Amino acid sequence: DAKTTQPPSMDCAEGRAANLPCNHSTISGNEYVYWYRQIHSQGPQYIIHGLKNNETNEMASLIITEDRKSSTLILPHATLRDTAVYYCIVRVHSGGSNYKLTFGKGTLLTVNP
Amino acid sequence: ETGVTQTPRHLVMGMTNKKSLKCEQHLGHNAMYWYKQSAKKPLELMFVYSLEERVENNSVPSRFSPECPNSSHLFLHLHTLQPEDSALYLCASSQAPPPGQGSEQYFGPGTRLTVT
Repeated sequence: DAKTTQPPSMDCAEGRAANLPCNHSTISGNEYVYWYRQIHSQGPQYIIHGLKNNETNEMASLIITEDRKSSTLILPHATLRDTAVYYCIVRVHSGGSNYKLTFGKGTLLTVNP
Repeated sequence: ETGVTQTPRHLVMGMTNKKSLKCEQHLGHNAMYWYKQSAKKPLELMFVYSLEERVENNSVPSRFSPECPNSSHLFLHLHTLQPEDSALYLCASSQAPPPGQGSEQYFGPGTRLTVT
């Protein structure tokens, strides 16, 4: 399985952009990068995913390097409610039409007032 | 209506009890998942059902027994659990994507299980 490496924690000031890095140097050509977040004691929440191109939605932007060995999740204007553990995951094909997400320890992002 | 619901939200059971966790998805998805999240540990995938057929069992002890009667419902039957089984149990669903496409999993709020 392709593994990801994330810093264990980061801080960000409210209103500023939060840039969360992720390394996935063993990613294969057809494996997607997914980002989820988990607010304390709640279920994980899907944020965004991408393969090669940069992606943007109403929650965040995902920047994937050209060699696909790393990516950055950008929350453009962080709020206190964005405080959560952010997981960078490489989705692995587990056979047929089945895929598997393997969660790591993620990055605890703390947004400070 | 929340996309994925789980009941109960909290459960306390003794080691000799039998209980069941229920998950229901209202998203029209065809794959459902059970995850376990113990304190200070990453989420662990337990079971995967695709089109109501179990396609993955990640070496989960037999005291956990999943059931998927239809594509909208998923159960986790529990019996003779151990205190170390206390954890947050999360259900998720997704739509099996076309080859090479992405698809996201949507998670329920989880059931906080305490085994005494």
